[in-house]
Amino acid sequence: GESVGLHLPTLSVQEGDNSIINCAYSNSASDYFIWYKQESGKGPQFIIDIRSNMDKRQGQRVTVLLNKTVKHLSLQIAATQPGDSAVYFCAEIPLFSGGYNKLIFGAGTRLAVHP
Amino acid sequence: DVKVTQSSRYLVKRTGEKVFLECVQDMDHENMFWYRQDPGLGLRLIYFSYDVKMKEKGDIPEGYSVSREKKERFSLILESASTNQTSMYLCASSVGGYGTEAFFGQGTRLTVV
Repeated sequence: GESVGLHLPTLSVQEGDNSIINCAYSNSASDYFIWYKQESGKGPQFIIDIRSNMDKRQGQRVTVLLNKTVKHLSLQIAATQPGDSAVYFCAEIPLFSGGYNKLIFGAGTRLAVHP
Repeated sequence: DVKVTQSSRYLVKRTGEKVFLECVQDMDHENMFWYRQDPGLGLRLIYFSYDVKMKEKGDIPEGYSVSREKKERFSLILESASTNQTSMYLCASSVGGYGTEAFFGQGTRLTVV
């Protein structure tokens, strides 16, 4: 909801610029990663995922990069639009989570797009 | 499209009340989850279920219980609500097996007074 974005790191960008949101994950055994977008008053919505056997994956206007050496994940949004304003979460699934897809979420980053 | 529906968007309850949060998914998913979301803390897993009548504790199960009598429905129960349980509660579901995305409901904002 509206309070989700409070106390979070904020990335402010101009409309039309590219955005890069970063995430450090915690578990070296994590094998699957997802980026979620949460707009005010809504539940998280899937954006893009990547598995640990890949370094890069592209979707529509979004690219996820994975650096397993330093346990770092990034989300790049091309030509950022006002509708991209939201809180973005990275999530990981450790390989040994029992097959139950237990997502571990980061704290999130608020993206603010200015005209 | 997968649909995960939470029964209430907003709830206000009194301290000590027993509270039920209901979640229904329509995609025959095996896994269902309950998270709570607090400012600056991200999403924290309370409980999850991988099959009917099966449940596992998440990271913060204290003060909560769950029920899954039917595959499509997963209920979160606050046995005796307290003010520190004021939060946004999110339900999610996913298919069984490893490495698939979870689909979320719209959330229930619970205020305990």
